[in-house]
Amino acid sequence: EVQLVQSGAEVTKPGESLKISCKGSGYSFSSYWLGWVRQMPGKGLEWMGIIYPGDSDTRYSPSFQGQVTISADKSIDTAYLQWSSLKASDTAMYYCARLLFFGESFSAFEIWGQGTMVTVSS
Amino acid sequence: DIQMTQSPSSLSASVGDRVTIACRASQGISNFLAWYQQKPGKVPKLLIYAASALHSGVPSRFSGSGFGTDFTLTISSLQPEDVAAYYCQQYNSAPLTFGGGTKVEIK
Repeated sequence: EVQLVQSGAEVTKPGESLKISCKGSGYSFSSYWLGWVRQMPGKGLEWMGIIYPGDSDTRYSPSFQGQVTISADKSIDTAYLQWSSLKASDTAMYYCARLLFFGESFSAFEIWGQGTMVTVSS
Repeated sequence: DIQMTQSPSSLSASVGDRVTIACRASQGISNFLAWYQQKPGKVPKLLIYAASALHSGVPSRFSGSGFGTDFTLTISSLQPEDVAAYYCQQYNSAPLTFGGGTKVEIK
């Protein structure tokens, strides 16, 4: 079964750093682009960026460039989303999702992780 | 960035009704458009890609159409399990933007 399993919910304070993970299984992790999507409480979906685990080629939305870092370790089939200094406005559900077509960076999101809720509060 | 505008933002319809959701792109995106369904408290699910291609396992009452800037998602006969938010997404060019969503409820 193709699936993405994300790390658990996080509660952190403003200014702290954080790294959440997304582990793929059931497919060739290195060969499909994988992206991150933010959903703030009660709001819609926002495309943050994508990474190709095979060579770590990464594309960011201008809205998130410089605010987060997307990375991957193909040796353990895991992608990451990290922050160096969290803000209260980063409170949201974060989904990782695999793109539909082999090797294509611009495509629909087919397989979704279960989501990681990040709460930033003092 | 390409802006995606959905209408209406919410709708209420009866079981068995035909429901149509519109999505407009701020510039032409060919057929590089996907539709997602997100049930309350659940993970988004891909319904349609390439504007009109039904994803595997999606009921045939869902259909998509359009090209260029104007697209529609149609539910031919609304079912209680279709209560959800629906989002369009363009994947013609980065950033791959989503529409604001349409909430579908049962009357």
